[in-house]
This record gives sequence, structure tokens and C-alpha cells, in this order.
Amino acid sequence: TQLLEQSPQFLSIQEGENLTVYCNSSSVFSSLQWYRQEPGEGPVLLVTVVTGGEVKKLKRLTFQFGDARKDSSLHITAAQPGDTGLYLCAGAKTNAGKSTFGDGTTLTVKP
Amino acid sequence: NAGVMQNPRHLVRRRGQEARLRCSPMKGHSHVYWYRQLPEEGLKFMVYLQKENIIDESGMPKERFSAEFPKEGPSILRIQQVVRGDSAAYFCASSQTDTSNYGYTFGSGTRLTVV
Repeated sequence: TQLLEQSPQFLSIQEGENLTVYCNSSSVFSSLQWYRQEPGEGPVLLVTVVTGGEVKKLKRLTFQFGDARKDSSLHITAAQPGDTGLYLCAGAKTNAGKSTFGDGTTLTVKP
Repeated sequence: NAGVMQNPRHLVRRRGQEARLRCSPMKGHSHVYWYRQLPEEGLKFMVYLQKENIIDESGMPKERFSAEFPKEGPSILRIQQVVRGDSAAYFCASSQTDTSNYGYTFGSGTRLTVV
């Protein structure tokens, strides 16, 4: 059972464009993380969102946690080639230890 | 202040051999998690360990796979009698607490190829 669904699976855009990727679930999570992974490397944590409705901004990246804590979105403004990578969302539940990952969105930003 | 260290980075094994993957968590972290990743897919949970204890092995195949995190030394993920379907990237992550609410620090992974 896939608890976290990410869309789109693949996204190819030109430098300077805006984009949004989504992470949806039927389960409620106590927190949700977004990671970025480059080829040949491990995922790197970008942000953790905890409160329903929370919005966090990191430079050109905006993360939102749904009011019901079941879904999240990542918006990138004016994408750059350096944003290319696999974006993974992961849901955590209190006292569960492990996180559940989505299958990711592969983003390619062309110069 | 080293991060999570995994070795080897690449491992090639013939079918039927054993694979041993090592993970040293960040200093001060006593919780270790192993995940497996197939090409262009997300990470699938395998096992969660604390020092000398397996806390959750619900994602671990019942046969051929085992994991340990001894009192001294790195965590080891062991795969016996490897098959081609075991080819994947195996990632280790560590955390300070028993919750993943704050996210993980991942190692660079071990890429296992079974020939």
C-alpha cells in the first residue's frame, strides 16, 4: 500500500519557470519532511513541517502542509539548473520511529 | 564532525555470495534506520535499530536479510545468498531520538550490484 503519492512523477522545465509538486495521502502524519536527492548521493533534508496549514519558505522554495496534515506541496519560483534532482516527501508519525517515503518527483531544469 | 558514513560505496557480488553493508551513525546518534531504493523510486523502509536492539524490522524480508547494531562498532546490514533482485541502493540514516518527526541525516549509500 502506497501511503504517500507524489505528483507529477517527472517534470522537465526551462530555467526561470515556476513549478509545484504535490505529496498526498489518506493518512494523517504528525510531521512531513521534504528531501532532495542528487544522483549517486543520499537524500538531504530540506524542511520539516509540523503544524496543519504551516507554510515555510527557504529562498525560492515554499513548502505548505495541508490543514488536515495529510498532504503537502513544494513550490519553486524561478527554477534554476541547480534545482535539478529527485524531490522526496516523507511522512512521520509520533512514536512510529520510521518515516514513509513517496516515490518522488524527478525535476529537470534546462538552462 | 563527520556525518553518516556508509561503506563500501559500491559493492559487486555474484549470485549466492554474501553482502555486508556498514553504517556508522553521526556522533551522538543512537538510532539507525536502513532503507532500500530501486532506480527512480522512493525509499522503502527495512529496519530500525538502536544499540543492541532491533526496534522495527517490519520492512525486512523474512529470509536472507539480517541487521545488527552492536554496542561497539557500526550497524551492519547482511544479505546472504544474494540474488539479482537484491541489486539496489541501500541507505542508512541516523537520528538522536526515537521519532522521525525531525527528519533524518542520510549517508551516501551503498550501491549493490548482483551479477
